[in-house]
Amino acid sequence: KNEVEQSPQNLTAQEGEFITINCSYSVGISALHWLQQHPGGGIVSLFMLSSGKKKHGRLIATINIQEKHSSLHITASHPRDSAVYICAVPMNYGGSQGNLIFGKGTKLSVKP
Amino acid sequence: DAGVIQSPRHEVTEMGQEVTLRCKPISGHDYLFWYRQTMMRGLELLIYFNNNVPIDDSGMPEDRFSAKMPNASFSTLKIQPSEPRDSAVYFCASSLGGGSPLHFGNGTRLTVT
Repeated sequence: KNEVEQSPQNLTAQEGEFITINCSYSVGISALHWLQQHPGGGIVSLFMLSSGKKKHGRLIATINIQEKHSSLHITASHPRDSAVYICAVPMNYGGSQGNLIFGKGTKLSVKP
Repeated sequence: DAGVIQSPRHEVTEMGQEVTLRCKPISGHDYLFWYRQTMMRGLELLIYFNNNVPIDDSGMPEDRFSAKMPNASFSTLKIQPSEPRDSAVYFCASSLGGGSPLHFGNGTRLTVT
């Protein structure tokens, strides 16, 4: 069974700073998810990636399959990026994409 | 599409009462997932369906929990009888499968007193 560790748990940044959130997992996977949970509670899927790097606007996600590690980067951070960012991986290798184990989340607060 | 629709948004009930949470997935999505989120344990998968068939219910905590998907556009999660430790936010999500992303509903915040 997979285990997921995220760091840091909490992160405070000034507007404009470059942000990095890390995620490590224990068992080989087919894909890793990055989710964003807004202060109001809604959850949005940001990325699903199995190799390399993906970019969407100011957000970049990378994954190193050999090292079982992924990072989420936010460039030119803005107060509206304040949210909880959650990493998730399949419970078992080859498991259904939604049969996930979730990290505890990183609470990001970006100050103006 | 309106996205995944959950109802109710909030539910407050007394211990021992039956609670039914509802979910309408995005049309055409073959997979439906029920998750629970608490401060202590974070997000956890309870059960998921593929083409209306329950595939894995190993996350359902006890026999007090049951879930059904009578058709492709509707699913329910029922707790009977409810207990205070069931208080949590329950999320429903759906996806096309095959590497497509998850789409979450807004969640139901359940409080059992």
